[in-house]
Order: sequence, then C-alpha cells, then structure tokens
Amino acid sequence: DVKVTQSSRYLVKRTGEKVFLECVQDMDHENMFWYRQDPGLGLRLIYFSYDVKMKEKGDIPEGYSVSREKKERFSLILESASTNQTSMYLCASSLGQGSEAFFGQGTRLTVV
Amino acid sequence: ILNVEQSPQSLHVQEGDSTNFTCSFPSSNFYALHWYRWETAKSPEALFVMTLNGDEKKKGRISATLNTKEGYSYLYIKGSQPEDSATYLCAFRENNDMRFGAGTRLTVKP
Repeated sequence: DVKVTQSSRYLVKRTGEKVFLECVQDMDHENMFWYRQDPGLGLRLIYFSYDVKMKEKGDIPEGYSVSREKKERFSLILESASTNQTSMYLCASSLGQGSEAFFGQGTRLTVV
Repeated sequence: ILNVEQSPQSLHVQEGDSTNFTCSFPSSNFYALHWYRWETAKSPEALFVMTLNGDEKKKGRISATLNTKEGYSYLYIKGSQPEDSATYLCAFRENNDMRFGAGTRLTVKP
C-alpha cells in the first residue's frame, strides 16, 4: 500500500514562529503537493514539486516555502506563522500526471 | 489561477435516488482529470483518472464521463446509498500541478 505520512495530526504554534510541516511518501513518486483546506474554499494549492530540488508555486504561496532535498520528503515551511495560516494542511503524492494521487492524513494547524 | 468549478455545492438525496455532479475546467492545456471521494475524518481517495476526450469510467454504481473539448466532466451515482455520503472532488492536471474544485457535498438520507 502506498503510504503518505504527515508528521503531525494537530499542531499549535505561536504567531511569528517558524513552522515545519513534514510529508514523507514511500512509493518513489515524482510529484508531491501541499494544499490547505478551508471551509467553502476546497483544496488550494500552495506549492508542488516534480523532482528532487524542483519546486513550483501554486496559487497561494505567500508566507510559505518548501524544501525537497530527498525524493520521498516534501516539507512545507511557514517562515513566520500568522493567525490567517490556521488551517488544515494536506500533502499528496503521485507517480505522474496520469496517475492518481495519494493523500496524507492532514495536519490541523492552529496559530495563536 | 486556473479555475476548476464544481456544481452543485451540496446535494441532499434520498436513498435509491440517482444523482450527478459537474466539474468544469479550462479546455486548453489539458492533461488529466481526476475524481476523488472525501469522507469526513479520512483522506481523499481516488475514484477515476481520465485522460482522453470521450473517456467513460465505471466503478460499481459510480461512473464518470469526460469532454475535454468543452471542458467538463460528469460524475454519476446510480441508486445512492447512505454510505455514498461524502464530498466529491474533481482535480485538473495541466502539467505537474493538480488543482481542485471546491467539491460537491453529497448527503444521502435513508
């Protein structure tokens, strides 16, 4: 079974903190994605990566950065957490454009 | 920003009803259209991946069609059951990205 694992289910951080959300997949997938999910807005694409060290901005990259030093790991970084980044964050991976994506269990981040 | 739109936003049906949802997407630079089912407290799971104009896919009581020239896909559920209650998401793939619509939330009443 493909497994996509996010490091935390729930996280509470203070405004201004640097926050790392980790995502690891075990199926040698090229593509990895980070989304945030807010009520009524669906899944919005933050960043995606199609290879090691390759990354592209999605639709809402402001306030975020990413790192992909190894193929299996894609990290989302909140440089200076703000309350408007309180959300559910979902990581996904897929083999290629024509392949289904597999999702992690989500991280509910609260910034206070 | 690429617009992927789904309608309706929510749907309440009785057990046994058949229903369908719509996903519209940009018709240029199409690579693939995905459908996912997302149950509460779980992760989204893939239903279908479609890449060719005219594609029709079926899994049990659920089927989907694809029209890439006009930029839409339909998802059909025949004889809805309470366990079909979930949010149904479509995702458009242009290149290495994957962008989702806001979803259709289906509630099936026994």
